[in-house]
Amino acid sequence: DGGITQSPKYLFRKEGQNVTLSCEQNLNHDAMYWYRQDPGQGLRLIYYSQIVNDFQKGDIAEGYSVSREKKESFPLTVTSAQKNPTAFYLCASKNREEQYFGPGTRLTVT
Amino acid sequence: SQQGEEDPQALSIQEGENATMNCSYKTSINNLQWYRQNSGRGLVHLILIRSNEREKHSGRLRVTLDTSKKSSSLLITASRAADTASYFCATYSNDYKLSFGAGTTVTVRA
Repeated sequence: DGGITQSPKYLFRKEGQNVTLSCEQNLNHDAMYWYRQDPGQGLRLIYYSQIVNDFQKGDIAEGYSVSREKKESFPLTVTSAQKNPTAFYLCASKNREEQYFGPGTRLTVT
Repeated sequence: SQQGEEDPQALSIQEGENATMNCSYKTSINNLQWYRQNSGRGLVHLILIRSNEREKHSGRLRVTLDTSKKSSSLLITASRAADTASYFCATYSNDYKLSFGAGTTVTVRA
């Protein structure tokens, strides 16, 4: 899983609560990404950041927010506006064309 | 939006056999990448093939690319139990946005 850490590995929340997922990298990569993965499916892009203090919406940004105040950190907040937040969330960073992934956070909202 | 589509969705083989999976994509590309995901883990980059390459090898992996058919294949030779995983092809739709297919789940039986 390279130099990317995500915490926690498992996260449980009640419906209506916002929750923030952590992603930290020590690879000195400029670009970072958040993906969502549902069972038996591929990855869908939520947000990405090419550089500090800049980020762009991906394909499924509704109900999510991010910040990029430091190069090493790209936290994702799952808001109560996200209708189906239960999923596996993966953070990645990019060097040239390759992406390096963290171990993921499995979020369950009940 | 998914750029690549893998085929088959699932594959079960005996240890020592070869595994072949295919990927089709929709738009022109500069390169195509293959990633592996072990159950419940992050993705790991396996191999990148550029649009001007037709075949590339890395250990027991062989990747082919046919840009005229917009397709790629991944061959794993002499499979091992540790090869049990999901395999995804991925292409960039712009310099930063990597799109993944739904993946092929490979099970290697002892």
